[in-house]
Amino acid sequence: DVKVTQSSRYLVKRTGEKVFLECVQDMDHENMFWYRQDPGLGLRLIYFSYDVKMKEKGDIPEGYSVSREKKERFSLILESASTNQTSMYLCASISSGTDTQYFGPGTRLTVL
Amino acid sequence: EDQVTQSPEALRLQEGESSSLNCSYTVSGLRGLFWYRQDPGKGPEFLFTLYSAGEEKEKERLKATLTKKESFLHITAPKPEDSATYLCAVHHAGNNRKLIWGLGTSLAVNP
Repeated sequence: DVKVTQSSRYLVKRTGEKVFLECVQDMDHENMFWYRQDPGLGLRLIYFSYDVKMKEKGDIPEGYSVSREKKERFSLILESASTNQTSMYLCASISSGTDTQYFGPGTRLTVL
Repeated sequence: EDQVTQSPEALRLQEGESSSLNCSYTVSGLRGLFWYRQDPGKGPEFLFTLYSAGEEKEKERLKATLTKKESFLHITAPKPEDSATYLCAVHHAGNNRKLIWGLGTSLAVNP
C-alpha cells in the first residue's frame, strides 16, 4: 500500500511566523504535490515537484515556497504566515507510470 | 474553459436507498477521470480511475461509469458508513500531472 505521511495533523501558528509542513512518501514516487482545501473552493494546487530539486508552480503559489532535496520528502514553506493561509493542507504523490494521486492525512493549519 | 462540475452538492439518503452522483467535465483530450472519497478532517482516499467512455469499475456498493461528457458514481443499497464527501477529478492531455477537481458531493446516509 502507498503510504504518504504528513508531519503534523494540527498546527497553530502566529501571524508572521515561518511555517514548515513536511510530507514523506515511501513508494519511490517521482511526482509530489501540495494542495490546500477550503470550503466552497475545493482542492487548489499550490506547487508540485516532478523530481528532486525540480518544482513547478500550481494555481496559487503566492506566499508559499517548496523544497525537495530528497525523492521521498517534499516540504511546503510559508515564509511569513498570514491569517488567510488558515486551511487544510494536503500532500499527494504519484509514480510516473500512473496518474493516480495518493494523499496524506492532511494538516489543519490555523494562523492566529 | 476546462471545468469539472459535481452534482448534487449534497445528498441525503436512507440506508438501502440507491442513488447516483454526477461528475460532468469539459476538457479536451481526457486522459483519466478519478473518484475519491473523503471523510471529515482526512485526506482523500482513492476509489477509481476511468480512462475511456463505456468503462465501468466496481468496488463493494460503488460503481463508477464514464461517458464522453460525464461520469456517474452509483451507490447501491448504501450504509451509514458510506457517508462522506465524494470528489471527482480529471486529467487531460497537455496538463502535465495536474488534475482539475470538482467541489465534491457530500453524502449522508441515515440509518
